[in-house]
Amino acid sequence: KQEVTQIPAALSVPEGENLVLNCSFTDSAIYNLQWFRQDPGKGLTSLLLIQSSQREQTSGRLNASLDKSSGRSTLYIAASQPGDSATYLCAVKSGSGNTPLVFGKGTRLSVIA
Amino acid sequence: DAGVIQSPRHEVTEMGQEVTLRCKPISGHDYLFWYRQTMMRGLELLIYFNNNVPIDDSGMPEDRFSAKMPNASFSTLKIQPSEPRDSAVYFCASRPSATGEADTQYFGPGTRLTVL
Repeated sequence: KQEVTQIPAALSVPEGENLVLNCSFTDSAIYNLQWFRQDPGKGLTSLLLIQSSQREQTSGRLNASLDKSSGRSTLYIAASQPGDSATYLCAVKSGSGNTPLVFGKGTRLSVIA
Repeated sequence: DAGVIQSPRHEVTEMGQEVTLRCKPISGHDYLFWYRQTMMRGLELLIYFNNNVPIDDSGMPEDRFSAKMPNASFSTLKIQPSEPRDSAVYFCASRPSATGEADTQYFGPGTRLTVL
């Protein structure tokens, strides 16, 4: 059974700092991996999706990497801003088609101005 | 598009009462998912539908929970009778039949349920 772990559970950094959020998964036979953002009282918004054949994806100040063999992914946020404060969730899909996503519990990020 | 719509946004009820949560997926999406989020267990998939048909309900915690999708634009999640341990945020998500980059889900804002 796939399990997804995110460490740390919470992180507080000063504005402008570069930071890395970590995600690990137990079964390396994945189809894809996604990073989501969740703002308080709101749903999840997909940030980046990495297919199993890819090593990384970039969107603006965000860069997500994937190392399937070691069961790890990282989300790098450059030049953090207070508006980046949110919970970031990692989700793994282990097969194509109907296979459901398995989510980590998230990392709650606070960027202090 | 308005995105996935859920109602109510907040629900407070007493133990033993019936609770019905509602979801309108994005038009044209073939898949609909119901999730539950708690601090202890994170985000858990309860059930999902494809073309209005329930495909996997193995995440439904017990018989008190039921879900229906009578048509492509509406789904309900019902808890009867409700218990305090059902208190959580319930999310609905939808997605189209997808390949490649389109393989992502679109989440509603959630319903925060409190059972007293």
